[in-house]
Amino acid sequence: EVQLVESGGGLVEPGGSLRLSCAASGFTFSNVWMSWVRQAPGKGLEWVGRLKGKTDGGTTDYAAPVKGRFTISSDDSKNTVYLQMNSLKTEDTAVYYCTKYSTTWSFDYWGQGTLVTVSS
Amino acid sequence: QSALTQPPSASGSPGQSVTISCTGTSSDVGGYNYVSWYQQHPDKAPKLMIYEVSKRPSGVPDRFSGSKSGNTASLTVSGLQAEDEADYYCTSYAGSNNEVFGGGTKLTVL
Repeated sequence: EVQLVESGGGLVEPGGSLRLSCAASGFTFSNVWMSWVRQAPGKGLEWVGRLKGKTDGGTTDYAAPVKGRFTISSDDSKNTVYLQMNSLKTEDTAVYYCTKYSTTWSFDYWGQGTLVTVSS
Repeated sequence: QSALTQPPSASGSPGQSVTISCTGTSSDVGGYNYVSWYQQHPDKAPKLMIYEVSKRPSGVPDRFSGSKSGNTASLTVSGLQAEDEADYYCTSYAGSNNEVFGGGTKLTVL
């Protein structure tokens, strides 16, 4: 059974940093593409970025609003993907979901989400 | 990249059919057969319902179907049931390794 469990959310001041973790199980982690999607309170879903599997180069792509501030990485030995968020803004306040990104260009499994609140 | 356009709300009575549209451009919906749909109940994570325009993952009822014409994709829910009441989001691959979501549609079962 595929499971994705996020952690690391919390309250942070504008300009601060936070690192989210997503522990994955139930599939071969190293060859899979992983994505982060966020949802601001009462708003819709927004793609944040993705990490391609090692066999596809292990490269990353990011949405324009977070490019240059957010970094996605992974530790295959821990089956964990990370979202490092720097220079946080109030508009980054959202529930952040870790997702497995399938070969059919869809988000086929989702974690339960972790809330990030950026406020002074 | 602009968000895909969905109607904010849709509704239908139990047993009826309802269709939700998702309009993009030739750079996303119209350019690729990589449209997917997600169902989200309140305070829950989204769930994949349709991928590659019209394919259903294992376990998704065949009451849910997808289609596409030009720059507009559609999700149809037939034989509406109370548990179908939820928010629905479309998304499409948008080229240059980007993804774009629709704004979401709140489906109400009357």
